[in-house]
Amino acid sequence: DAMVIQNPRYQVTQFGKPVTLSCSQTLNHNVMYWYQQKSSQAPKLLFHYYDKDFNNEADTPDNFQSRRPNTSFCFLDIRSPGLGDAAMYLCATSRDTGDNEKLFFGSGTQLSVL
Amino acid sequence: RKEVEQDPGPFNVPEGATVAFNCTYSNSASQSFFWYRQDCRKEPKLLMSVYSSGNEDGRFTAQLNRASQYISLLIRDSKLSDSATYLCVVNTGNFNKFYFGSGTKLNVKP
Repeated sequence: DAMVIQNPRYQVTQFGKPVTLSCSQTLNHNVMYWYQQKSSQAPKLLFHYYDKDFNNEADTPDNFQSRRPNTSFCFLDIRSPGLGDAAMYLCATSRDTGDNEKLFFGSGTQLSVL
Repeated sequence: RKEVEQDPGPFNVPEGATVAFNCTYSNSASQSFFWYRQDCRKEPKLLMSVYSSGNEDGRFTAQLNRASQYISLLIRDSKLSDSATYLCVVNTGNFNKFYFGSGTKLNVKP
């Protein structure tokens, strides 16, 4: 089945130790997004790619970076995780931009920072 | 002001009850609207899109009121399995930005 796949499901890292989360999709969608969701809060958009064009949200800390080496894969790099970065990280895709586009989510990576 | 606002709940209802959630959005230029369901520590899953004419899918009915800038979700004959958080999502059409409400938690009790 076509889908959005995130690995790993759970990630534990140490304070200040770089960590990379991965996302792949078989939907051949143009747009890929990374969201951060903390407990009982709405998912917060960090950035998104339209094809290879990177779009950063104004309030996304520099500590968060992303790479999209090809259509199928997208990575979230946290350069120096702090305790406040512990959250669920959700990767999502949409076919394109415009009206009536929907978001398709991966199962998320729950990040713990010790 | 938040782009999308929801009552966080929780709504505690018995099985078989009818329950309704509302969501308001601030951008009058918003183009498309959705309800997503999210179970604890899982990803959001699309429940239904919301159209101006209103739409129904089994026990679920969604309505959009553009004049008042709110959308609603009605669940009839609640099941235990309906217990989840329901997220209201709005696409402003501004480079495909999706804005999420913080979710309304529903607990259906036996």
